[in-house]
Amino acid sequence: NAGVTQTPKFRVLKTGQSMTLLCAQDMNHEYMYWYRQDPGMGLRLIHYSVGEGTTAKGEVPDGYNVSRLKKQNFLLGLESAAPSQTSVYFCASSYSIGAATEELFFGEGSRLTVL
Amino acid sequence: QKEVEQDPGPLSVPEGAIVSLNCTYSNSAFQYFMWYRQYSRKGPELLMYTYSSGNKEDGRFTAQVDKSSKYISLFIRDSQPSDSATYLCAPGDNFNKFYFGSGTKLNVKP
Repeated sequence: NAGVTQTPKFRVLKTGQSMTLLCAQDMNHEYMYWYRQDPGMGLRLIHYSVGEGTTAKGEVPDGYNVSRLKKQNFLLGLESAAPSQTSVYFCASSYSIGAATEELFFGEGSRLTVL
Repeated sequence: QKEVEQDPGPLSVPEGAIVSLNCTYSNSAFQYFMWYRQYSRKGPELLMYTYSSGNKEDGRFTAQVDKSSKYISLFIRDSQPSDSATYLCAPGDNFNKFYFGSGTKLNVKP
């Protein structure tokens, strides 16, 4: 049981380049989230999804797009990377029908540097 | 005003000490209160979960919620070097959205 898997784990981009982070979960969770974590800022919600085919904006959505074409996958895209997007990105999933808690299960993180 | 305020530390204590970690929040709609523990270069993992005001104990850990003052606490008894990590409070609403504090970095010295 892999839980939540993020790829890639590390990436260096130049300003203006684009890339996609992939998140996959094997727990049949309904909800999936993308957070970014910066020093002193904690985890901030970028976008989230409450089910296959749905997405919604979080606290800091600008500069990012997401898609949830399959229930188990949640993609985060950067169309034109900026140095301000240098961060550690975490994917999380939660909620299966009948679950006892609303626990978030996190991936190991993807470290992105934009030069 | 941030949704959740948390003292970033770092907090350094000797092994065996009692540790108190605290958060305040502003949204009275929060119903769920979680504490996550994050080891260096890892994703956060759920440590404690409470619903509504009151105390919840799990081994050496006690989570306390006071909804009237919007105050969340985590107490660690007999702290161990393995407790060295960053602790994130995360209150949540009824729509499965959680708002994280900035985290308190704890170092327990042997």
